[in-house]
Amino acid sequence: QSALTQPASVSGSPGQSITISCTGTSSDVGGYNYVSWYQQHPGKAPKLMIYDVSKRPSGVSDRFSGSKSGNTASLTISGLQTEDEAGYYCCSYAGSSPVVFGGGTKLTVL
Amino acid sequence: QVQLQESGPGLVKPSQTLSLTCTVSGGSISSGDYYWSWIRQPPGKGLEWIGYIYYSGSTYYNPSLKSRVTISVDTSKNQFSLKLSSVTAADTAVYYCARDREGAAFDPWGQGTLVTVSS
Repeated sequence: QSALTQPASVSGSPGQSITISCTGTSSDVGGYNYVSWYQQHPGKAPKLMIYDVSKRPSGVSDRFSGSKSGNTASLTISGLQTEDEAGYYCCSYAGSSPVVFGGGTKLTVL
Repeated sequence: QVQLQESGPGLVKPSQTLSLTCTVSGGSISSGDYYWSWIRQPPGKGLEWIGYIYYSGSTYYNPSLKSRVTISVDTSKNQFSLKLSSVTAADTAVYYCARDREGAAFDPWGQGTLVTVSS
């Protein structure tokens, strides 16, 4: 059960859009429509931002969107705001080894 | 709304067993709609799923930890628990409990508790 692959860091300016990728295999990301994304500020618990590839929980801004193509899922944040600066983790259901996380991506808002 | 709270010792000696409990409030662990998970995060590192349990007692564990992990549930107390045996310094982490709404969608999370393995 290998971790999903995410870029270590991404950056953007306020108002811009950024995309974070999450690459897995046909046994996890590519095999199920069960990809979720989490935002984590320093010292805080992760917060669910996207589930089932592209669904947003109640209360999450529509600036956050998710998608998937093949074995790669993506999180897009539009209209970047300073409060979006945080760590972001993807996660996928993986069948017999039920859950696998990505290594995490640090988003810097310049 | 549902809230989760971890509790347990913050310091465990090497080779001993780490034991944590997660208390669920604002909802019933027996509702049957969710799995109840443990997830950990070593200092400065990423998230690692440990395992989850259904209210009936069915469990699923991370294969890399399976030989050392036991997750149990006490529906009468609305709690579920984690035991991790034979701990080493590599098990030092913030341990979170979380509700899985299905398909690896964890929400909400507890605030987390730091467990340090040291003599």
